[in-house]
Amino acid sequence: GDSVTQMEGPVTLSEEAFLTINCTYTATGYPSLFWYVQYPGEGLQLLLKATKADDKGSNKGFEATYRKETTSFHLEKGSVQVSDSAVYFCALIDNAGNMLTFGGGTRLMVKP
Amino acid sequence: DVKVTQSSRYLVKRTGEKVFLECVQDMDHENMFWYRQDPGLGLRLIYFSYDVKMKEKGDIPEGYSVSREKKERFSLILESASTNQTSMYLCASPAGAANTEAFFGQGTRLTVV
Repeated sequence: GDSVTQMEGPVTLSEEAFLTINCTYTATGYPSLFWYVQYPGEGLQLLLKATKADDKGSNKGFEATYRKETTSFHLEKGSVQVSDSAVYFCALIDNAGNMLTFGGGTRLMVKP
Repeated sequence: DVKVTQSSRYLVKRTGEKVFLECVQDMDHENMFWYRQDPGLGLRLIYFSYDVKMKEKGDIPEGYSVSREKKERFSLILESASTNQTSMYLCASPAGAANTEAFFGQGTRLTVV
């Protein structure tokens, strides 16, 4: 079946540092890829998405590029803020849009 | 703008109680999912449903059941709550079409004492 692997956390950074959270996947066909963010005590919110190879999703200064050749969808941000502290989940959905598969989540802590 | 609503944010139940967690979506989606989230274990799929009265077991269905009598509502049932079911429970509803994301409820933090 499909699977998603993302780097384990926690990731601790100082404010304004550069962020990368790695995500790789295995899937049949052409899945869509997502990053979700979960703030403390909340459900998951969609952060960004990419639906085909070489697409770049972006939102709130975060970016991720769908790399089919390396089956990766790494999340990046040039300058993190304390308010970015959260848990980030990489996910994919199958061709038909029916089955979601999640990575294990990465906790990001940003210190002032 | 609310799309997926879970009936409770926080619940405290006693061991052995029957517990109902409710999830309602207003997007007319056919697909609905229940996950539990535990530290270090990520999101684990409990049950899912692709249609009314239809249900499929996920990765960890033991100790749970579900009900989908109406399209918009998907209930998770703990027949006899145990302390190891203390967790955050998340309901999700994908659109069921290619290239579309899933929408999540705000989560229910259940404590079984």
